[in-house]
Amino acid sequence: ETGVTQTPRHLVMGMTNKKSLKCEQHLGHNAMYWYKQSAKKPLELMFVYNFKEQTENNSVPSRFSPECPNSSHLFLHLHTLQPEDSALYLCASSQDPQGGGSPLHFGNGTRLTVT
Amino acid sequence: AQKVTQAQTEISVVEKEDVTLDCVYETRDTTYYLFWYKQPPSGELVFLIRRNSFDEQNEISGRYSWNFQKSTSSFNFTITASQVVDSAVYFCALSEAPSGRGSTLGRLYFGRGTQLTVWP
Repeated sequence: ETGVTQTPRHLVMGMTNKKSLKCEQHLGHNAMYWYKQSAKKPLELMFVYNFKEQTENNSVPSRFSPECPNSSHLFLHLHTLQPEDSALYLCASSQDPQGGGSPLHFGNGTRLTVT
Repeated sequence: AQKVTQAQTEISVVEKEDVTLDCVYETRDTTYYLFWYKQPPSGELVFLIRRNSFDEQNEISGRYSWNFQKSTSSFNFTITASQVVDSAVYFCALSEAPSGRGSTLGRLYFGRGTQLTVWP
């Protein structure tokens, strides 16, 4: 398997649930990212990890909690979400940290619906 | 002000027409990178091309071509003889190098995207 794999593809959860999104990259990259894509809004960078260390948190609410156990895996733990959190959550990886000129490679995304 | 502006929100063309997607960027850096990504209905953003700020040579790849002009801060994307499979959202992005003030990380900015629909 190659590229960036995200699971699940679709997720429906209530506001009191706890769930996790998983991302795995098989490209040997050193940086991983979480993006949020809402309808009619630009891509929003949420978190950046370089060499497993979180280097950016774009003022994301604490109900979103990232975890990066190693350079190949990235999780996004979700709890007590709001309906406005419904969106497509995209994981990406790159060889070098952002700004280094390496293109991002994206997964297919997880379509999250909060009811 | 936006760092990357894609003024065209939606474009519709009929198959075999040529179409140009505009991208205008803003940066004070001398070293930067520009990208185009394609997002088909499946959701995954697919990397199409990267240009660095020192290489203004235009590029052609099959039906795709890119026109990079530093004088107008533009990096436009043209699809020749469009096909239905070209229907997608296309994103332009700008990557700035680290600021050098104790920072090792640069910044990556995406435009809002252009929805291209190609009708049969």
